[in-house]
Amino acid sequence: QDQLVQSGAEVKKPGSSVKVSCTAFGGTLSSHGISWVRQAPEQGLEWMGGIIPFLGATEYAQKFRGRVTITTDESTASMELRRLTSEDTAVYYCARVDCRGGSCYSAKNFYYFHNMDVWGQGTTVTVSS
Amino acid sequence: QSALIQYGSVSGSPGQSVTISCAGSSSDVGSYNFVSWFHLHPGKAPKLLIHDVDQRPSGVPDRFSGSKSGDTAFLTISALHPDDEGDYYCCSYADIYNLVFGRGTRLTVL
Repeated sequence: QDQLVQSGAEVKKPGSSVKVSCTAFGGTLSSHGISWVRQAPEQGLEWMGGIIPFLGATEYAQKFRGRVTITTDESTASMELRRLTSEDTAVYYCARVDCRGGSCYSAKNFYYFHNMDVWGQGTTVTVSS
Repeated sequence: QSALIQYGSVSGSPGQSVTISCAGSSSDVGSYNFVSWFHLHPGKAPKLLIHDVDQRPSGVPDRFSGSKSGDTAFLTISALHPDDEGDYYCCSYADIYNLVFGRGTRLTVL
């Protein structure tokens, strides 16, 4: 059964960077997209961005543009977040985006990351001085 | 970045039905059928319940159903089980922002 396994918990200093990885077992990422979503303590889910590797397409939420980079190779996706502050303390999730039948993109180069069918276990990132 | 509007909490007894709403605008829910619903158990990863407004992934019981009217999406859970407790989030494709989530609704099974 397809599953995504994320890297372990991180403790970082303010101003530093963190890179979280997400490896696909039971399949590859070559025919799917990946979203990154985070949940801060006592807060809701927040979409950070996503990538569709076979289209070479990457999109970032406005809030994170310039501070986050999402990349993939065949079976591993990574999310790097820079200039960390205490407000970045959160659980970070990767999620596979179902692209079957072209459902994650349109002919006009719009990309849809809502259909997140398989999730990683989450990576806790704590930012503290 | 605007969030979709969800009521904070809802409750029901085992066997009853509940409906959770997700209010958006003409820039997101009202214009696109790219709405999903997720269930979060405390300490666990989110689980996809519904995508594209009313499509249920394989393995999700048919007690869960989705719909949309105007700018608002709905998740209905029938025949409530104690395991249905937790937080429910909607999300939608949105102009400019790409993807926005609701603030979540906590379901309590009495």
